[in-house]
Amino acid sequence: DQQVKQNSPSLSVQEGRISILNCDYTNSMFDYFLWYKKYPAEGPTFLISISSIKDKNEDGRFTVFLNKSAKHLSLHIVPSQPGDSAVYFCAASSNAGGTSYGKLTFGQGTILTVHP
Amino acid sequence: DAGITQSPRHKVTETGTPVTLRCHQTENHRYMYWYRQDPGHGLRLIHYSYGVKDTDKGEVSDGYSVSRSKTEDFLLTLESATSSQTSVYFCAISEDRGLGYTFGSGTRLTVV
Repeated sequence: DQQVKQNSPSLSVQEGRISILNCDYTNSMFDYFLWYKKYPAEGPTFLISISSIKDKNEDGRFTVFLNKSAKHLSLHIVPSQPGDSAVYFCAASSNAGGTSYGKLTFGQGTILTVHP
Repeated sequence: DAGITQSPRHKVTETGTPVTLRCHQTENHRYMYWYRQDPGHGLRLIHYSYGVKDTDKGEVSDGYSVSRSKTEDFLLTLESATSSQTSVYFCAISEDRGLGYTFGSGTRLTVV
């Protein structure tokens, strides 16, 4: 049972335009959400996160939106650059009860290609 | 860069042989994790550790065991490798529960 889903395996965008990557989750106990970026032959690197007490978090060109009622989050990249081409993973965790040990549940990933 | 290294980076092994992957950190972080990455599945948790000698299973732990005898090292062992364990394995560390991870560069394992 996939608790975190990224339903778009790939996304292609022109340089300078907006990239929107989507993620849905089913576990209502998730209270912290993250996005990771992964280049080939490297480990994933942290991009941006959001707590469930917020609905938006912004860091430069990257903004994450959280819609708790829809159990949906999205990552906006504006403007997109060719160097943003990578695999993007969303992840979620639950700290309820203090027994999660920080475990993250990841989505399947979306391959973003930004064309010059 | 965060001090986390995985070894080996690449390995080819035969079905039925035991294999051990090593994750070494110099950050003194409490939490360590092993994930595998497969197409269509993203990253799936194999085992994790919340302290020396404290480990537990993740969602895909069958066929794997782990050990953590000191803070800096977290070993993943495939007891008898199968072709279904061909994958890219990532180790991750975290300073505190609820924070994000820092990942290693991965180990590409091929079981033939």
